[in-house]
Amino acid sequence: DIVMTQAPLSVSVTPGESASISCRSSKSLLHSNGITYVYWYLQKPGKSPQLLIYRMSNLASGVPDRFSGSGSETDFTLKISRVEAEDVGIYYCGQLLENPYTFGAGTKLELK
Amino acid sequence: EVQLVESGGGLVQPGRSLKLSCVASGFTFSNYGMNWIRQAPGKGLEWVAYISSGSSYIYYAETVKGRFTISRDNAKNTLYLQMTSLRSEDTALYYCARSNMGGDYWGQGVMVTVSS
Repeated sequence: DIVMTQAPLSVSVTPGESASISCRSSKSLLHSNGITYVYWYLQKPGKSPQLLIYRMSNLASGVPDRFSGSGSETDFTLKISRVEAEDVGIYYCGQLLENPYTFGAGTKLELK
Repeated sequence: EVQLVESGGGLVQPGRSLKLSCVASGFTFSNYGMNWIRQAPGKGLEWVAYISSGSSYIYYAETVKGRFTISRDNAKNTLYLQMTSLRSEDTALYYCARSNMGGDYWGQGVMVTVSS
């Protein structure tokens, strides 16, 4: 199975500042079709997860452009610029390259 | 508006069975693959099963293979998860999620508690 390793496990950010979350996969997530199958989700307190970024760098519908995704074949970054109170929650990376689909352990973002 | 509404959860004894349902609305259900994903209390996300739009492709996590069965009824816009031989480690909040773009819509989840 592909292992997804996130860092840090928690981050505390001052509103208005930026935050970055890293995710590393145990195997390249770059498919031969040129698509990198890494995804980012946010689970706000008491809510269902919501999709933020698909295929490494594509912003999901309705997601503020303060969020961005980047990376290589095995190392990925979610960046949040100008963090707001509504960004609090747990961020998960996930891979949908092959079954079983797997997720990172999550990164908890809190406000200072 | 896209909606996914799960039901069928509850408290069940180890070894017993339970069937979850997920009713979809606001989109053409038969055009999309669907997933079940679960989250144990205080834990992260675990993918459980996937079914393609026409049920031709079905995949399971090893932890549930042979015990859980995913299915769908496109005429009823409903996704199912039949769970048998339930174990305490199956205790979780079960979400159904549309497979498009890696899960662009998720339900609110339904709780399954396996305990004697």
